[in-house]
Amino acid sequence: GDSVTQMEGPVTLSEEAFLTINCTYTATGYPSLFWYVQYPGEGLQLLLKATKADDKGSNKGFEATYRKETTSFHLEKGSVQVSDSAVYFCALMRDYGQNFVFGPGTRLSVLP
Amino acid sequence: SAVISQKPSRDICQRGTSLTIQCQVDSQVTMMFWYRQQPGQSLTLIATANQGSEATYESGFVIDKFPISRPNLTFSTLTVSNMSPEDSSIYLCSVAGSYNEQFFGPGTRLTVL
Repeated sequence: GDSVTQMEGPVTLSEEAFLTINCTYTATGYPSLFWYVQYPGEGLQLLLKATKADDKGSNKGFEATYRKETTSFHLEKGSVQVSDSAVYFCALMRDYGQNFVFGPGTRLSVLP
Repeated sequence: SAVISQKPSRDICQRGTSLTIQCQVDSQVTMMFWYRQQPGQSLTLIATANQGSEATYESGFVIDKFPISRPNLTFSTLTVSNMSPEDSSIYLCSVAGSYNEQFFGPGTRLTVL
């Protein structure tokens, strides 16, 4: 079945450091890929998405590129802030309206 | 994007009791989903709830334990029945957006003693 794998956390960085959170997936066909963020005590917020190969999703300084050849969707940010501390979930959806498959989440802590 | 609210936001319940969680959306949507997020874990889909039809449950979840109602296109409820401490989780509803995304409610944090 479909699955999503993320790098294990927690990830601890200093403010203004470069961030990469790896995400790879297994799915048939051409799924849509997503990154969601969950701030402490809150629900999930859509961070960015990509619906086809080579698409780049971006939002709030975060970027991720849909790489079909490596089945990856790594999240990057050039300079993290303390306010970016949260849990980040990579997810896929195979067809419109189908349920999402979430990765295990990666907790990011950014220190001042 | 859809705006989703859930009630209650949190609750502490005694084992053996039941809790009904409400999910309200500010627009009409066809597909709604209910997820469970156990402490420190990722999200697991409980069921898909479409208006006018029975909810579709994922493996490991049954209607007797998690009955769902979907009376109209903006509202759904999930009941957690005969609760045990293992049911302590965050329960989230979500709706399918127009562009392959899902929007999530803020979640209901349930603690069962």
